[in-house]
Amino acid sequence: QQQVKQSPQSLIVQKGGISIINCAYENTAFDYFPWYQQFPGKGPALLIAIRPDVSEKKEGRFTISFNKSAKQFSLHIMDSQPGDSATYFCAASRQEAGGTSYGKLTFGQGTILTVHP
Amino acid sequence: DAGVTQSPTHLIKTRGQQVTLRCSPISGHKSVSWYQQVLGQGPQFIFQYYEKEERGRGNFPDRFSARQFPNYSSELNVNALLLGDSALYLCASSFDRAMGTDTQYFGPGTRLTVL
Repeated sequence: QQQVKQSPQSLIVQKGGISIINCAYENTAFDYFPWYQQFPGKGPALLIAIRPDVSEKKEGRFTISFNKSAKQFSLHIMDSQPGDSATYFCAASRQEAGGTSYGKLTFGQGTILTVHP
Repeated sequence: DAGVTQSPTHLIKTRGQQVTLRCSPISGHKSVSWYQQVLGQGPQFIFQYYEKEERGRGNFPDRFSARQFPNYSSELNVNALLLGDSALYLCASSFDRAMGTDTQYFGPGTRLTVL
């Protein structure tokens, strides 16, 4: 069962434009939603994360919008730059029994972002 | 501070062989998780270990096993390798949630090729 669906698969944006990537989840127990950026040959790196008690979180040029009722969340990259060209993954997790860390992330399929100069 | 380290970087094996991948978490992190990332897809959860105990297992066959050592480093073992096991294997470490942060930090991965 695919629990996190991500779209689009690929995205091409001009420098200075806005990149928007969307994700939808099924498991209402999820309560932690991070976005990761991955460059070729590297491991994923956390960009920004949100919890369902807020509808929006902004860090620099990156913003997460969260719609709990629709079970959807999205990443907006403002003023996109060629250096932002990478693969972006949304993910979701929930606190496991025992109160340990969110050790199990369920990832979307990824979006390949290309920002043209 | 050093990030999550993994070894080896690349590995080539043949079908039926066994492989051991290693991970050293960020200093102070007690939780280690393993993920498999097939080319063109998102990472898939394999295992989580916390304080040397298995805390979660993904939908992977028993050919996959792991353990965590007293220094919180971890090994992932895969027996009877299949062509489909070719992937990037990622290790991630994190604090106990009680420490106030849930961020998982990923290592660079081990690229496994099965011929």
